[in-house]
Amino acid sequence: GAVVSQHPSWVICKSGTSVKIECRSLDFQATTMFWYRQFPKQSLMLMATSNEGSKATYEQGVEKDKFLINHASLTLSTLTVTSAHPEDSSFYICSETSGRGTDTQYFGPGTRLTVL
Amino acid sequence: GESVGLHLPTLSVQEGDNSIINCAYSNSASDYFIWYKQESGKGPQFIIDIRSNMDKRQGQRVTVLLNKTVKHLSLQIAATQPGDSAVYFCAERGQGGKLIFGQGTELSVKP
Repeated sequence: GAVVSQHPSWVICKSGTSVKIECRSLDFQATTMFWYRQFPKQSLMLMATSNEGSKATYEQGVEKDKFLINHASLTLSTLTVTSAHPEDSSFYICSETSGRGTDTQYFGPGTRLTVL
Repeated sequence: GESVGLHLPTLSVQEGDNSIINCAYSNSASDYFIWYKQESGKGPQFIIDIRSNMDKRQGQRVTVLLNKTVKHLSLQIAATQPGDSAVYFCAERGQGGKLIFGQGTELSVKP
């Protein structure tokens, strides 16, 4: 069964508004989660590494003040897209390292963001 | 820098045939690789993984081959079915556990 959930699965918002996306680990206390962005017909691009109880680590070129990440508990990380613009429209996916004796990363179902 | 790439962006096969999806990586120090399947509108789904101390690993209908000499990775799907139609990504584990994804190959299975 699924080990990572995301909410919402899709969202449409107006330009200039903020949107929060939740990523939950369902059966494991994930100290580290990862956030990816995927544009149509393209590969996944890592945005940031979310660390429980500390600041997220952002990849080069990702604006940390625009993409706010909070990992306040061992089972929940949130990504807030602030002042969203049409170019932020994308598929946002989170993942966790299972820690179940393997190195595999398991992904959530993704959130489709459309900014009008 | 690190990079993972694919030779074929699209692959069309007949149902029942075997499929082979290839991937090249550039970091010879990489020690762990994963293949994911992504269906339209969904998150990537784990298929199979392999560590660098192995050259072959088999799962149910899938086999991953690793050639460290030429830094090449392949995914073989036996008796391909319509349900196998999806985009397949290879990923290389980089520093800090980050995954570096290849560009993806779209597999289309013809009935």
